[in-house]
Amino acid sequence: QKEVEQNSGPLSVPEGAIASLNCTYSDRGSQSFFWYRQYSGKSPELIMSIYSNGDKEDGRFTAQLNKASQYVSLLIRDSQPSDSATYLCAVNGPGTASKLTFGTGTRLQVTL
Amino acid sequence: NAGVTQTPKFQVLKTGQSMTLQCAQDMNHNSMYWYRQDPGMGLRLIYYSASEGTTDKGEVPNGYNVSRLNKREFSLRLESAAPSQTSVYFCASSEAQVFNQPQHFGDGTRLSIL
Repeated sequence: QKEVEQNSGPLSVPEGAIASLNCTYSDRGSQSFFWYRQYSGKSPELIMSIYSNGDKEDGRFTAQLNKASQYVSLLIRDSQPSDSATYLCAVNGPGTASKLTFGTGTRLQVTL
Repeated sequence: NAGVTQTPKFQVLKTGQSMTLQCAQDMNHNSMYWYRQDPGMGLRLIYYSASEGTTDKGEVPNGYNVSRLNKREFSLRLESAAPSQTSVYFCASSEAQVFNQPQHFGDGTRLSIL
């Protein structure tokens, strides 16, 4: 079992719709969770972090964390073609020197 | 403000050749990282430096060495390149209080080993 799992996609959503990206992780002791956006041929960009159960909103982005079920989600409201990218989930274990593990990413396509 | 600058952007090497990938950041960050990204594998940490003067191995350090020259610069060296090291390499940095949470990435170096 991979430590951090994401559906590779592509996930196709129409412009204006809500895109829902999901990530599951295996280490129940994980404490920090991150979403990075990576455009094709570009470097990753940190867009969201979440540390406690529940929702965290930042503009059109909402991160959702459920530690009991070991999943973290990213919702993108009013999806735009410019949101088309690969979204990487990353999970950090407990402790200040813990390893950050990345998923392989979900490719999102927002269609006109 | 350039952020994280990596050089070169592209490089082709022959098996057995050596080279150094350069990375510099201008954000006064303490922590710096080297990752490689391969299709289907996700980003994997090669080495990191939590502060000037310290370096530590990450998940895939074999075949690589690093130098934290000063607070700004963190270089990655391949002593004897192998085809398995063909990859995209990213340098990243973060503020001291958010160690192991890379915040800013460089544009990457696309390295091919023939």
